[in-house]
Amino acid sequence: AQSVTQLDSHVSVSEGTPVLLRCNYSSSYSPSLFWYVQHPNKGLQLLLKYTSAATLVKGINGFEAEFKKSETSFHLTKPSAHMSDAAEYFCVVSETGRRALTFGSGTRLQVQP
Amino acid sequence: NAGVTQTPKFRILKIGQSMTLQCTQDMNHNYMYWYRQDPGMGLKLIYYSVGAGITDKGEVPNGYNVSRSTTEDFPLRLELAAPSQTSVYFCASSTTGDVYGYTFGSGTRLTVV
Repeated sequence: AQSVTQLDSHVSVSEGTPVLLRCNYSSSYSPSLFWYVQHPNKGLQLLLKYTSAATLVKGINGFEAEFKKSETSFHLTKPSAHMSDAAEYFCVVSETGRRALTFGSGTRLQVQP
Repeated sequence: NAGVTQTPKFRILKIGQSMTLQCTQDMNHNYMYWYRQDPGMGLKLIYYSVGAGITDKGEVPNGYNVSRSTTEDFPLRLELAAPSQTSVYFCASSTTGDVYGYTFGSGTRLTVV
């Protein structure tokens, strides 16, 4: 069975400082991993995805994530936070052959001016 | 480009009432999904469909029904609303059923009182 644990429910950073959102996963098979972002009262937008190619994945808006199999982690980073990054972020896992995604509980990112 | 359209955006139901959440997509995607998002939680799969006439249960199907008579539409039916169904409901679609290219609607916020 697959599962996702987002280690922080809330993260607060100052504008211009680095962002780190942590995600650990559990999967019986080689997983595909994703980060989605949800702005208030909006749908979910795909930030980036890992699908067994390069372990360092670059996404939109300057976000990156590194797949570390030994640590079963897929942390999301950004070198410099912007006010517009304030949102809810979801780490998501899917195993090959499964028809749907398993979501983490989300991390709310606050960006202080 | 409309993508995935959900209606209504907000709804308040009384206990025992029924309603249908509408979802339509204009991308000719075969796969469609209904998720619910409870406060502080990730999304959980209710039902999904791999094509017109084919539906299957997800993780939390109790209290819901779906149908898929056309490729475009995937309505979710609540027959006897209960307070436990208070949630935000998201519809999504994808091309192959693999996790590439999920497109989410903007959600329906349902309150059962």
